[in-house]
This record gives sequence, C-alpha cells and structure tokens, in this order.
Amino acid sequence: QLQLQESGPGLVKPSETLSLTCTVSGGSISSSTSYWGWIRQPPGKGLEWIGNIYYSGSTHYNASLKRRVTISVDTSKNQFSLKLSSVTATDTAVYYCASVRRPHYAMDVWGQGTTVTVSS
Amino acid sequence: SYVVTQPPSVSVAPGQSAKITCAGNNIRSKSLHWYQQKPGQAPVLVVYDDSDRPSGIPERFSGSNSGNTATLTISRVEAGDEADYYCQVWDSYSDHVVFGGGTKLTVL
Repeated sequence: QLQLQESGPGLVKPSETLSLTCTVSGGSISSSTSYWGWIRQPPGKGLEWIGNIYYSGSTHYNASLKRRVTISVDTSKNQFSLKLSSVTATDTAVYYCASVRRPHYAMDVWGQGTTVTVSS
Repeated sequence: SYVVTQPPSVSVAPGQSAKITCAGNNIRSKSLHWYQQKPGQAPVLVVYDDSDRPSGIPERFSGSNSGNTATLTISRVEAGDEADYYCQVWDSYSDHVVFGGGTKLTVL
C-alpha cells in the first residue's frame, strides 16, 4: 500500500528558504503511472497546487509561485523535495505531498501534511 | 488561466441526497476529480475521471460531468459525510492543476 510522509522544519524565518521532503513507501517513485505533487493549504483556506514532478525530473509549477519554487526527485532514496525561497507569512500553511495519477492528474494518495509557520 | 467555481456551502438532511457543483468553461472536456477533507485531515480522493470511485469509497458517492458543470452527488447522506469537498482538473493549456474553492457540506 502506497504511503507518503512529509518531513522538514515546522518553523522558517521570513526571507529564508522552506525545504520539505516527501518519502514514498510501499511503491516506487520511478513508477510510470504517477507524477508526484506538492499542495498547500493556508489556515482556514482552500487547497493550492504548488507543482508536480515526474521521476525523470520533468516538472510543472504553479505560475504564481514559479519564481520561488524548485521541486526535485531522488530516485535512489524514493523521495522528492520542495524548496520555496524568500518566504513570507503568507507562505504559512499545511504542506501536503501526493501521488498524482497519470494521465489525468487525480491525486490518489496524500501524505498526512506538515504545518510550516513563517515567523521570526 | 482556467477557473472552476464551487458554491461555498451546501446543507442537507440525513438520508437525503446532496449535490455539489463545480462550474467551468466547457468543463466536460476535462477529467474532473473530487476530494473530501474532514477537519484536521488530509484530503481523500472520492471520485476521479468524472465518475469513477477509488476502492473503498462507498457507492453513495457518484459524479457526472456535462456542459459547463460537473456534479458530485452523495446519496443517503450520513453525519459522517460532513466535510469540505473540492473539485480539481488539469488545465492542459496552462499545464496547471486547478482546484475549486471548496464546498462545505453541512448535515442538518
């Protein structure tokens, strides 16, 4: 059974870089049937897509975040990662990783989410 | 970029059917997915590709997609169905995942 788990600091200072990792277990990140995605949810608000990556390294990013976002994959560790630079308080959110089913981008398995607070 | 619109809230009595809509320009041309999110929990996929259900999702959850509106129907609503529901598509023109703003389902 596929499982995803987010990890990383829960507190990040303004202007610094948020870094999170998603570890995939129960399946291979090199699967041809999945992309891997990051989604966030600010407190009391809806879901916001951040971006997706394929095991080959090809990416799609939300245009509103593209200048600050990097998503990478490490197939040897069965992990993918998110870096969001120059964070502000508006980046405070629960961050989720998810498996994204090809070809129609349904997110069929989600991590439990991790809360990241941006504050000095 | 592509926009999908959901009603902020829907209320229904137990045992009745709830319909949650997701509107977008020619949305029938896109594959539509629905998620259920209960407080403090991660979203769960309940319908994918307009009308398919993942294993473990009750048959009470069904979906349709026609014209400019997709609909999630929950039959015989139970108290445990109270949650936020989000629709989602992939916009191939902008290469973006697009979420609706979410609908809070209240079971009266």
